[in-house]
Amino acid sequence: GAGVSQSPSNKVTEKGKDVELRCDPISGHTALYWYRQSLGQGLEFLIYFQGNSAPDKSGLPSDRFSAERTGGSVSTLTIQRTQQEDSAVYLCASSFYLRGDEQFFGPGTRLTVL
Amino acid sequence: AQSVTQLDSQVPVFEEAPVELRCNYSSSVSVYLFWYVQYPNQGLQLLLKYLSGSTLVESINGFEAEFNKSQTSFHLRKPSVHISDTAEYFCAVSEGSGGSNYKLTFGKGTLLTVNP
Repeated sequence: GAGVSQSPSNKVTEKGKDVELRCDPISGHTALYWYRQSLGQGLEFLIYFQGNSAPDKSGLPSDRFSAERTGGSVSTLTIQRTQQEDSAVYLCASSFYLRGDEQFFGPGTRLTVL
Repeated sequence: AQSVTQLDSQVPVFEEAPVELRCNYSSSVSVYLFWYVQYPNQGLQLLLKYLSGSTLVESINGFEAEFNKSQTSFHLRKPSVHISDTAEYFCAVSEGSGGSNYKLTFGKGTLLTVNP
């Protein structure tokens, strides 16, 4: 079956521009996660969605970052007024809502801010 | 707050040699523990996990890890590695109870390079 998909795979943007990153989770998975993978910082949790519950936004690094999940499926991560330090690989994952269940990761979007 | 320390950023070994990738964690609550693997140009995949029960867990490709609560460790081992095991390995922890059991905290990764 289809795994988690993300688009675009690569995004190059200029400092100050806004970008949108998309994630399509595995069908039937109610939980969706965004992580960021950057040199020197490793993998960092950004945000978590579960069903209709309020998302856990505790990992978002600044108010320039936001995310939404429409219809309990597709999610969009938006970064406004991008900065060079936002350059990283943004990973999306999904899972069933079970304690300790495996998170399935997408291939990521590599964001480069010039 | 939880944290994960992977003591070795790079581990080079020869094919068929044994390997151990070290992982230590800190947490004030009970934990779930995971090893994820990222092969070159591929996404993260779960290798194995510890939730409860037997402290020794195994993967289908010969890796094993042992949960040691007293030493707060979850080291990954394989008795004989193959070139195809070359990848980056990430140790991760989540709360075993409470409302944040979904949030994974990752170590910074260990790059395992298997040489012929």
